[in-house]
Amino acid sequence: AQTVTQSQPEMSVQEAETVTLSCTYDTSESDYYLFWYKQPPSRQMILVIRQEAYKQQNATENRFSVNFQKAAKSFSLKISDSQLGDAAMYFCALPNFGNEKLTFGTGTRLTIIP
Amino acid sequence: GAVVSQHPSRVICKSGTSVKIECRSLDFQATTMFWYRQFPKQSLMLMATSNEGSKATYEQGVEKDKFLINHASLTLSTLTVTSAHPEDSSFYICSARVARGNYEQYFGPGTRLTVT
Repeated sequence: AQTVTQSQPEMSVQEAETVTLSCTYDTSESDYYLFWYKQPPSRQMILVIRQEAYKQQNATENRFSVNFQKAAKSFSLKISDSQLGDAAMYFCALPNFGNEKLTFGTGTRLTIIP
Repeated sequence: GAVVSQHPSRVICKSGTSVKIECRSLDFQATTMFWYRQFPKQSLMLMATSNEGSKATYEQGVEKDKFLINHASLTLSTLTVTSAHPEDSSFYICSARVARGNYEQYFGPGTRLTVT
């Protein structure tokens, strides 16, 4: 069975600073995808970034980037130049190749300090 | 692109009644949709997988007779909570997969159900 672990229930960062959210996972697949989703107070789930395991290059989307360590099964999210709008719950997710269900971590609540 | 809508956004119903929640993919066809339940400050819990034209697949512990799912078209899936009880009060979220092999799921805005 796949597992996703987020060990930081809450994080806070000063506006304009950089913060890293941690995620570790376990899967028996050799090729897979990983996602970070954001859930702001509106509760709309938004895809932030995706990483394909066969790609060695870390994914980047504007201020969001990942540090993907396949051997360590680690997938952290780095948010640079944090903005007030980044305040949200962040979920790391791993899809199952067979049935395409998503396994979510427990989430990290990110607070931005003005 | 890849917009998913849900209706209603909020609903209050009396105990013992049924309520239907709609999930629509607005700009794409979704052969598979997923229904989640989310408790306050918790992660999403998958309830069932909805496949167009076939019966839904329910997760272990989810009562299929209580949470009826119908996926009658490529753009619409519905979740009906039958004989609702206060413990069914929760936030329900649907998602849709754009295409097989594209593992991203696009989520609806959710429905807050309150059973009084």
